[in-house]
Amino acid sequence: GQNIDQPTEMTATEGAIVQINCTYQTSGFNGLFWYQQHAGEAPTFLSYNVLDGLEEKGRFSSFLSRSKGYSYLLLKELQMKDSASYLCAVLTTDSWGKFQFGAGTQVVVTP
Amino acid sequence: ETGVTQTPRHLVMGMTNKKSLKCEQHLGHNAMYWYKQSAKKPLELMFVYSLEERVENNSVPSRFSPECPNSSHLFLHLHTLQPEDSALYLCASSQEGPGEENEKLFFGSGTQLSVL
Repeated sequence: GQNIDQPTEMTATEGAIVQINCTYQTSGFNGLFWYQQHAGEAPTFLSYNVLDGLEEKGRFSSFLSRSKGYSYLLLKELQMKDSASYLCAVLTTDSWGKFQFGAGTQVVVTP
Repeated sequence: ETGVTQTPRHLVMGMTNKKSLKCEQHLGHNAMYWYKQSAKKPLELMFVYSLEERVENNSVPSRFSPECPNSSHLFLHLHTLQPEDSALYLCASSQEGPGEENEKLFFGSGTQLSVL
């Protein structure tokens, strides 16, 4: 079966760093996406990794290790507006349901 | 603003009602999707339309009926729903074609559905 695991919730203080881990077992692999979803809003695209290594975009970085079936999203210099759910999604080779999602990690940023 | 608009934002309906959810994308994409999002569960794909053709999936109950009149519009018709159908229903679109990063999904803000 297909499985994507990520922690349910993480709490960190403003200005700190938080790392959200995602492990996956899927049928085929064509890339891994991270999405951010604020309460009551649309999930929005954050990052895409298809090769091993680190992709950096400002305060957010995403890492991928295909051999380990592992990714993380790193959020630096946390701001209150970063409080949101972060979804890990794998683009598989399935003809149906190409995207497999994790259940999301709720990040709570405290003052 | 993601370029995908859903209405209504909130919907409360009884089990005997019939209602429809609407989605419109302004991105020129060629694929549209309905997802169900329940608390603390992964997004669950319900329906896919690619190039306006429905990709078959037999796992969704017949009380949910999709309609895609053109590449920009998608509907989800609801009838005789159950309380366990209460969830956030998200519409998404993407551009299918070369380049996996280009296949990323663009989501609407969803319709929060409560079935009483």
